[in-house]
Amino acid sequence: ETGVTQTPRHLVMGMTNKKSLKCEQHLGHNAMYWYKQSAKKPLELMFVYSLEERVENNSVPSRFSPECPNSSHLFLHLHTLQPEDSALYLCASSPLGRTSGTDTQYFGPGTRLTVL
Amino acid sequence: GQSLEQPSEVTAVEGAIVQINCTYQTSGFYGLSWYQQHDGGAPTFLSYNALDGLEETGRFSSFLSRSDSYGYLLLQELQMKDSASYFCAPRRGNTPLVFGKGTRLSVIA
Repeated sequence: ETGVTQTPRHLVMGMTNKKSLKCEQHLGHNAMYWYKQSAKKPLELMFVYSLEERVENNSVPSRFSPECPNSSHLFLHLHTLQPEDSALYLCASSPLGRTSGTDTQYFGPGTRLTVL
Repeated sequence: GQSLEQPSEVTAVEGAIVQINCTYQTSGFYGLSWYQQHDGGAPTFLSYNALDGLEETGRFSSFLSRSDSYGYLLLQELQMKDSASYFCAPRRGNTPLVFGKGTRLSVIA
């Protein structure tokens, strides 16, 4: 399998559930990202990991908790979400890391999350 | 501060040429990227302009003018499959990409 993969592709959860989104990149990249895409809104950067270290956290509520166990895997743990958290969650990776202005990001297919 | 503007929607006829403009205001500017996203799909990288001028990749070309903080994406010989959202994203030195709301292109027969 190549590129950036995400599982599950679709997730429906209640507000009291705990679930995790998984992202895996097979490109040998050093940086990984979580984005949120809601309808009619720009892509919102949530977290950035560079060489497995979290380097950016854009004021994301604590009900979202990222984990990067190694450079190929990224998780987003979800706990007591709200209906307004329903969105497409996209993972991306880039070769060099966030400090490079020339980096290109490669996106996974996303997880469509619905919070009831 | 930082700002990014592109038209929200554009409609063009199959076979025609369409230009999607992008104006930006940002510090530490390195260059301008363009991404395409089909409905239900992931954004995919199209092009990157680090220098002023036109970059051509097949039917797609991208232009940058640093002095005007302006760029555009030019799509030629439009096909129905080009219907998608197109995002310009300025690259800055030490931060990830910032995406705008994108331009939704509809190609009609």
